[in-house]
This record gives sequence, C-alpha cells and structure tokens, in this order.
Amino acid sequence: EAQVTQNPRYLITVTGKKLTVTCSQNMNHEYMSWYRQDPGLGLRQIYYSMNVEVTDKGDVPEGYKVSRKEKRNFPLILESPSPNQTSLYFCASSSAQGERNIQYFGAGTRLSVL
Amino acid sequence: GEDVEQSLFLSVREGDSSVINCTYTDSSSTYLYWYKQEPGAGLQLLTYIFSNMDMKQDQRLTVLLNKKDKHLSLRIADTQTGDSAIYFCAESPRGDYKLSFGAGTTVTVRA
Repeated sequence: EAQVTQNPRYLITVTGKKLTVTCSQNMNHEYMSWYRQDPGLGLRQIYYSMNVEVTDKGDVPEGYKVSRKEKRNFPLILESPSPNQTSLYFCASSSAQGERNIQYFGAGTRLSVL
Repeated sequence: GEDVEQSLFLSVREGDSSVINCTYTDSSSTYLYWYKQEPGAGLQLLTYIFSNMDMKQDQRLTVLLNKKDKHLSLRIADTQTGDSAIYFCAESPRGDYKLSFGAGTTVTVRA
C-alpha cells in the first residue's frame, strides 16, 4: 500500500531536549516536504527536498533541520525545541514526474513542547 | 497561507449542498487542489483542476474555477455527516513543487 509514515504520532517534550520526527515513503518519490499546521494559519512549509542530498528552506525553517540521505526517508530535527514549536506536523511526498504535483501526506505528528 | 484565502467556517444541514470558496493570487498556478482533513488524520487529496478548465465534476463534487477572478470553489452535493472535516484549497505555481495552502474551512454538517 502506498503510504507516508510518520513517527511518533504524538510527542510531549521539554524545552531544549533534541528530538527527531521520522518520515518514510514507499512510493519512490523524489520530492518530500515538511509542513506545520497551526489554527487559522493553514499549512506552512518548513523544509523540502527535491531529491537525495538536496534540501532547501520553506517558509518557516527557523529552529528546524532536515536531512535526505536516502530517497525514502526525510527526518525533521528540532535541535533545541521551544514552546512556539508546539504544533501539528505533516510530512508529504510527491513524484517529480509530470506536472500534477499530487502530494501524499502522512497522518501527522502532534508535538507539545513544555 | 497568505496567498490563498478561504472562509474559516461553514455549517450546513445534512442533505443540502455545501459550497466552499477560495481565492488565490498566483496566476501562474498550473493546478489547484482541494484537500480534506478528517479529525485526527492527515490530508487527503479530494480533487484537483487544471488551470485551463472551468469546471470539473467528480460524483458529488463539483469544482468551479474562475481564472480571471482567481476564484476557486468546491461544491458538495447532498452533504453527509461524513463530509464534516476541514477542507483546504491549495495552489501549485508552475514549476514549483511547493503547495501554498489556505487556512482551511471547517465544515460542520448538522442533522
């Protein structure tokens, strides 16, 4: 089954404690992306990757890091989380073939930073 | 997202039609999308429309695109309780894999 898998689904942590949210897709997609969703703001892109070892900043990259060492994985790293990073995070992937840019989303990771 | 605007809430009676409206700003957008987010779940693509089309129908869903006014709408016929969700409008500028999302419209279906 084609899917984007994020882990964990829920996470409560404290300010300053490094954490990683994993994302994996099994569709051999080139493009992967991280978004955060906040009430009234919709989804805002944090980072994206066009392919292995190619990453770039989205609209709200401050406080986040990513890596793309393998095509299927695109982890999101918070080196020193702060309470303003409490949010719902989504990973998405899409194929670079064709123009339709249909993005497939993971189920989301709800993060609370205390 | 600042470039895509939607109203935040819509309440509709079961069996009626729902119409969700969206305005976007990037005239180079090749495709425009509607995503649905059910409680506790990720986003699921509902439908999309190519920018050279005016209308697309898919079962109970009708998408209308007014490119001149940069206005997109989603009509859901015979709205059911299972249609209660947040609906996001999104645009994809030509040559860019980033999607710009609206803030989402929360649709509540009442009996």
